[in-house]
Amino acid sequence: QKEVEQDPGPLSVPEGAIVSLNCTYSNSAFQYFMWYRQYSRKGPELLMYTYSSGNKEDGRFTAQVDKSSKYISLFIRDSQPSDSATYLCAMSAWDFNKFYFGSGTKLNVKP
Amino acid sequence: EPEVTQTPSHQVTQMGQEVILRCVPISNHLYFYWYRQILGQKVEFLVSFYNNEISEKSEIFDDQFSVERPDGSNFTLKIRSTKLEDSAMYFCASRSGVAGVLETQYFGPGTRLLVL
Repeated sequence: QKEVEQDPGPLSVPEGAIVSLNCTYSNSAFQYFMWYRQYSRKGPELLMYTYSSGNKEDGRFTAQVDKSSKYISLFIRDSQPSDSATYLCAMSAWDFNKFYFGSGTKLNVKP
Repeated sequence: EPEVTQTPSHQVTQMGQEVILRCVPISNHLYFYWYRQILGQKVEFLVSFYNNEISEKSEIFDDQFSVERPDGSNFTLKIRSTKLEDSAMYFCASRSGVAGVLETQYFGPGTRLLVL
């Protein structure tokens, strides 16, 4: 069973749409949940970081964690063409010593 | 804003050759990591390093791999005898480890390694 599952997409939406990206996980030891954005052939760039169930908002981005269902989401409001990238979820146990990544969802926001 | 830097950005080598990938973690960070991403695949953990020793390594990190912090700023990954399947993007990451500071890993831009 894979530790972290993420739909690879691609996901294509019109500019201004609300985007929902999701990951599921199997390991109950995961305590910290991150979303990274990765442009083609570049390094992952941290977007959001949370460690508890519930919502965390930062501008147009909202991260949601449901530990009981082992399900995390990233919502992007008013999506822009510049949001076009691959979005990676990542998670770790309490020690942050090893991140487990999803396979990434490729998002394309059309003007 | 402080960032992790990596050199070179691209490296082409012949199978069997040794390569050293270099990273400068964020200043004052205490924990260092290497990950790799084979084209089209997940980012995979290779090794974590703290207090001048490996704290955890994956099954990918076999005897061909080694890491070193030769001075106060650099963190290197050496592959002794490269194989074709080592071709990947290698990411360095660092984490603060200081209480009260946002705890997550910050990634460098990566080194694209191509083994011919």
